[in-house]
Amino acid sequence: DVKVTQSSRYLVKRTGEKVFLECVQDMDHENMFWYRQDPGLGLRLIYFSYDVKMKEKGDIPEGYSVSREKKERFSLILESASTNQTSMYLCASSSGHLYGYTFGSGTRLTVV
Amino acid sequence: QKEVEQNSGPLSVPEGAIASLNCTYSDRGSQSFFWYRQYSGKSPELIMFIYSNGDKEDGRFTAQLNKASQYVSLLIRDSQPSDSATYLCAVNLRGSTLGRLYFGRGTQLTVWP
Repeated sequence: DVKVTQSSRYLVKRTGEKVFLECVQDMDHENMFWYRQDPGLGLRLIYFSYDVKMKEKGDIPEGYSVSREKKERFSLILESASTNQTSMYLCASSSGHLYGYTFGSGTRLTVV
Repeated sequence: QKEVEQNSGPLSVPEGAIASLNCTYSDRGSQSFFWYRQYSGKSPELIMFIYSNGDKEDGRFTAQLNKASQYVSLLIRDSQPSDSATYLCAVNLRGSTLGRLYFGRGTQLTVWP
């Protein structure tokens, strides 16, 4: 089975900190995605990547950046954390449009 | 118009009943359709996918696709309390970049004993 691993299950950070969320997949998938999920707002796409060093903005990229230096790893960076970035962050990977996503277990980030 | 819309729910059914979850999408040229189940506090897991018009059955789950009417549904037969979760519909819309899926906001299902 495809495994998508997110490094932290729960994180608490202070306002203004730089925050790194890591995601690693083990099935050689080309495409990787970062979403945030908030009650009533559903899943919102932040960034995605289709190859090493390639990235595309999603619907809500402001305040975030990403890094993909290796195919299996896709990192989400909060440049200066703010309280409105408190959320559940979900990483996913996919090998193409016919196969759907496999999600990681999620990181619940609280910014205080 | 939102790209993918689901009946908002919440939906509550007794154990043993059929639960019906519906989803409409904006683009008739969409190619692939997925249903995810998400338990509270957990991440979504893929339970069904369908590409062609008609029905696709997998155990107690049946996905139904009607491309002309632009809807996809999920039927859960003999519902169990363990089916209580939020169900997300996801669509690969025509022209989606690189397999990106568009998600509905989900329908919360409760199955009571």
